[in-house]
Amino acid sequence: DAGITQSPRHKVTETGTPVTLRCHQTENHRYMYWYRQDPGHGLRLIHYSYGVKDTDKGEVSDGYSVSRSKTEDFLLTLESATSSQTSVYFCAISESTWLGTGTYNEQFFGPGTRLTVL
Amino acid sequence: AQSVTQLGSHVSVSEGALVLLRCNYSSSVPPYLFWYVQYPNQGLQLLLKYTSAATLVKGINGFEAEFKKSETSFHLTKPSAHMIDAAEYFCAVSLKEGSNFGNEKLTFGTGTRLTIIP
Repeated sequence: DAGITQSPRHKVTETGTPVTLRCHQTENHRYMYWYRQDPGHGLRLIHYSYGVKDTDKGEVSDGYSVSRSKTEDFLLTLESATSSQTSVYFCAISESTWLGTGTYNEQFFGPGTRLTVL
Repeated sequence: AQSVTQLGSHVSVSEGALVLLRCNYSSSVPPYLFWYVQYPNQGLQLLLKYTSAATLVKGINGFEAEFKKSETSFHLTKPSAHMIDAAEYFCAVSLKEGSNFGNEKLTFGTGTRLTIIP
């Protein structure tokens, strides 16, 4: 258990309204990620963070912004929600494992937030 | 850049039969490969990982996968299916990126939903 919680777990909102999803971790991991999951697309990376105030875009970042003001919290904001952003959103953290020749990151996922935009 | 292709979005097997879920990857350098499982209404859980050690990797719940470089494949197998194996399975690939040491982003396949027939 990587100590990841997401809130809210379910949300229904209307087109054009702002929405913020929160990811909280308890184990001081440096890297955090936001994905969206849609049928036929698997998981796609929205944004990720490699430290406080250090973030970068993923493959589907349009319409989303993120913030990380402290290590334990990574916020995903939809400034003006659209129906195409109806999805299940997963937060993840990664832990580095040293292999002797380099490291690899193993990602651990939160329980998800189901967002419906009407 | 890397990518993953999962052949078959839905696979059905009888209880007790062999499970075979297919994954092919594309990568310009030796990859790290992962299989994740997602049970209904839950987040993703790591089943197993290949990190360039043994090519036959054993994971949890009796699953294993074999890395075949010549075929660029990392298929997931289980000798005998159980009802509790019904879930969605995702193959993922990562590479070490640039100067962000340790930040290997994951690219996921589109998933295979496994149904077990009693």
